[in-house]
Amino acid sequence: NAGVMQNPRHLVRRRGQEARLRCSPMKGHSHVYWYRQLPEEGLKFMVYLQKENIIDESGMPKERFSAEFPKEGPSILRIQQVVRGDSAAYFCASSPPSTGAGKLFFGSGTQLSVL
Amino acid sequence: GDSVTQMEGPVTLSEEAFLTINCTYTATGYPSLFWYVQYPGEGLQLLLKATKADDKGSNKGFEATYRKETTSFHLEKGSVQVSDSAVYFCALSELAGTASKLTFGTGTRLQVTL
Repeated sequence: NAGVMQNPRHLVRRRGQEARLRCSPMKGHSHVYWYRQLPEEGLKFMVYLQKENIIDESGMPKERFSAEFPKEGPSILRIQQVVRGDSAAYFCASSPPSTGAGKLFFGSGTQLSVL
Repeated sequence: GDSVTQMEGPVTLSEEAFLTINCTYTATGYPSLFWYVQYPGEGLQLLLKATKADDKGSNKGFEATYRKETTSFHLEKGSVQVSDSAVYFCALSELAGTASKLTFGTGTRLQVTL
């Protein structure tokens, strides 16, 4: 049973470009979470999605960031017009509907570098 | 809002030494507490958890006790191994609403040498 798969592992973008980060949850998991880890900081919650629905996006920056989890295919975190401050590690996690609070299964992350 | 504070690293220990990584939290309610571990090149994995005061979580020789009076959840292991070298994250989750929305500390890197 494959774990949470994130790609790419490393993504380099120039300022103003778009970044697309993909996350395939574990088989049978219908809940996806995105977290961001800035240098020297802990992971910060960004968004929680279920299939075709955004449940909680309280941690998402108001502009340039969006996330989706379509009925078919991976979850996508999209960052438009990237700036240097977007450079961070982005982690995706998934859980089945019935999991106890807090047991998330994490991917290895995507390291975004903005030049 | 909720927050988690853990000791800064890196922590460097010799094999078989005793490990303590301190973690304290601030929360408005009665959170669940967790330790996650991240081995090199991998995603975070749940190491142990405790859901109420005085609970002790344990796994792979690691232990942590939920201390409500001191708002702490310190991670301990009696004898570390080189394979324990990793980054350790303390986290909490408020149970209301989105139960799996975690608040993490900054992580503590542990390096164990022979």
